[in-house]
This record gives sequence, C-alpha cells and structure tokens, in this order.
Amino acid sequence: QKEVEQNSGPLSVPEGAIASLNCTYSDRGSQSFFWYRQYSGKSPELIMFIYSNGDKEDGRFTAQLNKASQYVSLLIRDSQPSDSATYLCAVNRDTGRRALTFGSGTRLQVQP
Amino acid sequence: ETGVTQSPTHLIKTRGQQVTLRCSSQSGHNTVSWYQQALGQGPQFIFQYYREEENGRGNFPPRFSGLQFPNYSSELNVNALELDDSALYLCASSPSADTQYFGPGTRLTVL
Repeated sequence: QKEVEQNSGPLSVPEGAIASLNCTYSDRGSQSFFWYRQYSGKSPELIMFIYSNGDKEDGRFTAQLNKASQYVSLLIRDSQPSDSATYLCAVNRDTGRRALTFGSGTRLQVQP
Repeated sequence: ETGVTQSPTHLIKTRGQQVTLRCSSQSGHNTVSWYQQALGQGPQFIFQYYREEENGRGNFPPRFSGLQFPNYSSELNVNALELDDSALYLCASSPSADTQYFGPGTRLTVL
C-alpha cells in the first residue's frame, strides 16, 4: 500500500464546474497536509495546507481533512482551463522536519 | 516567484559519472530539502539540511550527499550515477513548517 494514494486521472470537468480531488494516506501520525499544483514541465507550487479536521477555504480552493478516515480533498470552484494541471497531495509526519511524502498526483483537465 | 533558484536547468551524464546540482534560496530560509521526481511520479524526499547540518534523510543510498552553506545555497551530489537516477531534482526552501517553496528543478538525464 502506498503511503499517499491519489487517483491518477485524468479528471475532466467543464469550465465553471467544481473539481473534486481526493487523497488518502496510511500514516495515522501524519500532522500536516498539503496540496501542490504542478504544470507540465514545471515544479510544484503550493496551493494550501491544512492541519485540523474540517474545511479550510482560500479563494476558489477548499481543502477538507478527515483524520479519522485518513482522507484529504481539494475542491476547486469555478474551474478554469488554466487550472488544468497535476495536483499533488503531500503529508508530513513531523513538522520539525519538513520531509513531505507525496502522492503520484491527479491530472485535472478543465474543458472550455 | 518563489525566490528559489537551481542550476543547471538540464544536465546529461553517463552512467558511473558524478554530478553536482546547486540551489540558492532566500535569505532567512534556514531549511532546505531535496527531492527526486521521476516521470509520472510525485517528488520523493532525499534529505533535508538545517543550518548546514543534515537532519533528515529519505530512502536514498549514501551516494546521494549534500551540503548547505551559510549563504543559503546548497548542493546535491550524486556519485556513481545509474540510469534510474534520471529524474527532475527539486530543491525546496522553508521559511516555516507550514510552507516549502520549490525551485524550478534540474532535469538530469543519465545515459
């Protein structure tokens, strides 16, 4: 079992729709959770992080965390073609050591 | 713009050779981490340096080594290159536990 699992996709949504990206993790000791976006040929860029159970909103993005179910999700509202990218979920067990464990990513395609 | 730079952008080496990759992060970012990203995979943690000392290492052999310098620059050295070392190598600097900002990466090809 992989430590961080994501559906590879592609996830295809029409422009203006809500895109829902999911991630599960195996280590119950994970402390912090991150979503990164990676465009083809580029490096990952941080979208947002979440520590506590529940929802965290930042603009069009909402991260959701359920530690009991070991589940993290990212919702993208009003999806735009420019959101088409691979979305990487990452977890950290020890915030004193910034060793992120990444999933393989979900490719999102937003259709105009 | 993350303020993290890496050099070179691309590099081609042959099996058995040695390579040094470089990273420069923002002033005040005391922690730097290195990751390896194979095609189609997420980044894998190699190691982390804090104030010039290694303080965390992933599942990589000793032929992967690093240095961090007082001027917030760092190096990743890989000896005895293997074909499987072909990947995008990413440097990430951290101003805090909440955030790691990645540089643009170095694409290494081992022939």
